[in-house]
Amino acid sequence: SQTIHQWPATLVQPVGSPLSLECTVEGTSNPNLYWYRQAAGRGLQLLFYSVGIGQISSEVPQNLSASRPQDRQFILSSKKLLLSDSGFYLCAWVGVLNTEAFFGQGTRLTVV
Amino acid sequence: KQEVTQIPAALSVPEGENLVLNCSFTDSAIYNLQWFRQDPGKGLTSLLLIQSSQREQTSGRLNASLDKSSGRSTLYIAASQPGDSATYLCAVKPGGTSYGKLTFGQGTILTVHP
Repeated sequence: SQTIHQWPATLVQPVGSPLSLECTVEGTSNPNLYWYRQAAGRGLQLLFYSVGIGQISSEVPQNLSASRPQDRQFILSSKKLLLSDSGFYLCAWVGVLNTEAFFGQGTRLTVV
Repeated sequence: KQEVTQIPAALSVPEGENLVLNCSFTDSAIYNLQWFRQDPGKGLTSLLLIQSSQREQTSGRLNASLDKSSGRSTLYIAASQPGDSATYLCAVKPGGTSYGKLTFGQGTILTVHP
């Protein structure tokens, strides 16, 4: 069966520090991968998506970047965090048939 | 631009009640609609997926319906239990070359009292 892993679960980082969040998927190949952010009191906002290795599309201008070095690995990064980067970050995947979406357990990022 | 609205924003009911959560979307050209459950501080758990050609899907005490032409979906929860307390989110996937990108509603916070 397919599973999706995200880590870390929680992270507290000072302003100006770098960020690296990792997401890996098991049990599937060539998935579409997504990074969403859920700010307090708001819905989910799509940040990045990837349809293949090295292929990244950004949905909103921001301080973050994404990379997909392997088929089932998706990384969210920042060189210098801002207070506004705080939020709940969720990784998701959709299979080749473009049907159901599955989400990881999320990373709670607090920038202080 | 697709917009998804969920009503009510919050709902508090006693255990055992049947309840309905509503989701509406502005662009009827969708590929599918998915209902999720989110517990506090956790990720999203997929509950039901309805393809655009389907009218409803059922899983246990949950039943989701879709009226694509009117831009509406409902999630019906029968005989609610305290364990059903969570935030329920609906999301639509557009048709065409959308790469599976979802548009989410703001969610309905459900509290079921013992």
